Amino acid sequence: GAGVSQSPSNKVTEKGKDVELRCDPISGHTALYWYRQSLGQGLEFLIYFQGNSAPDKSGLPSDRFSAERTGGSVSTLTIQRTQQEDSAVYLCASSLSTLQHFGDGTRLSIL
Amino acid sequence: KQEVTQIPAALSVPEGENLVLNCSFTDSAIYNLQWFRQDPGKGLTSLLLIQSSQREQTSGRLNASLDKSSGRSTLYIAASQPGDSATYLCAVDTGTASKLTFGTGTRLQVTL
Repeated sequence: GAGVSQSPSNKVTEKGKDVELRCDPISGHTALYWYRQSLGQGLEFLIYFQGNSAPDKSGLPSDRFSAERTGGSVSTLTIQRTQQEDSAVYLCASSLSTLQHFGDGTRLSIL
Repeated sequence: KQEVTQIPAALSVPEGENLVLNCSFTDSAIYNLQWFRQDPGKGLTSLLLIQSSQREQTSGRLNASLDKSSGRSTLYIAASQPGDSATYLCAVDTGTASKLTFGTGTRLQVTL
């Protein structure tokens, strides 16, 4: 069965550019999470979607970060005007209850 | 604010040894605690989930314990194998939308 799929797996971009990261959750999972994993900071929660409820954006580090989830399925995380400190692995997870299933992440490098 | 600490940061053991990884958290009001494994370049794989009302969980050669009052959990790996080499992360769920707070991980290497 298909797990959580993230694309691209790697992204290199120049400072100041916008990037979009995509997450395809497991079919039927109502909850979707974005996390960021960076050296020295570990894994940090960014944003959480549950069904049709308003997302919990409490972990987003700045207003350059935004995310949406269309039709309760696919989600995109957008980073505007990227900075070097945005370099990290961005992980997506989905769940039906308590257990979260993670994708392999997108490794983002800002030059 | 919940803080999760894992000790040691790195560990190297010869194949066959039993080992213990430690996780501590500052706020004992947790919903559950999970142990994950992460291989290089990969996402996280859930190993064990312990509900706050439980003391331990076992899966094969893995045993995780939870002492909520003291803010501690241990992951015991029996008869370690080279295939166990990975980074092990613990994460606590405070029950607020199941947002996980992660430790910084223990990088384990099991040598032949």
